[in-house]
Amino acid sequence: AQTVTQSQPEMSVQEAETVTLSCTYDTSESNYYLFWYKQPPSRQMILVIRQEAYKQQNATENRFSVNFQKAAKSFSLKISDSQLGDTAMYFCAFMKHLDNNNDMRFGAGTRLTVKP
Amino acid sequence: EPEVTQTPSHQVTQMGQEVILRCVPISNHLYFYWYRQILGQKVEFLVSFYNNEISEKSEIFDDQFSVERPDGSNFTLKIRSTKLEDSAMYFCASRYTGTAEAFFGQGTRLTVV
Repeated sequence: AQTVTQSQPEMSVQEAETVTLSCTYDTSESNYYLFWYKQPPSRQMILVIRQEAYKQQNATENRFSVNFQKAAKSFSLKISDSQLGDTAMYFCAFMKHLDNNNDMRFGAGTRLTVKP
Repeated sequence: EPEVTQTPSHQVTQMGQEVILRCVPISNHLYFYWYRQILGQKVEFLVSFYNNEISEKSEIFDDQFSVERPDGSNFTLKIRSTKLEDSAMYFCASRYTGTAEAFFGQGTRLTVV
């Protein structure tokens, strides 16, 4: 079974600063997908960024980037130039390859607070 | 932009009652999911559905739960006899063939009293 671990229940950062959220996972699969989802107070689940395991290049999406270390099974999220609107719960998620309707498994989440 | 819609946004029900949570996935998506999030806790997988049948289900998804795609657009989650511990946010998600991204609905908050 795949497990996803987020070891930081809560973090805070000053507005405009950079913060990194940690995620590790355990799998025997060689091909899979990793995600970071944001859940603001509205409780909506919003995809922030996605990484395919077969791609060595780290995914980036504007102020959001990941540090994907496949051998270490680590997938951290870096938020640059933090904004007040980034305040939310952040969930790391894992999905096996696309076949067979694989579902997504989530970590416990990290609550990020951006302070003015 | 297409989106997954869930109704109702909030439902209060008495313990022992049946509830049906409704979802309309994005129209060309073929893979459907239900997830549950007890307040302040992690998002937990319940069930996945493809080609009109359950593909996978978690240990949470016991005989009290069922899913159905009654027509070409709706995807429902039924809880036959609700318990207090069923109180949670329930998320529906859908995914298109060949893509990894799952799109989530806004959730239904279920409160069992």
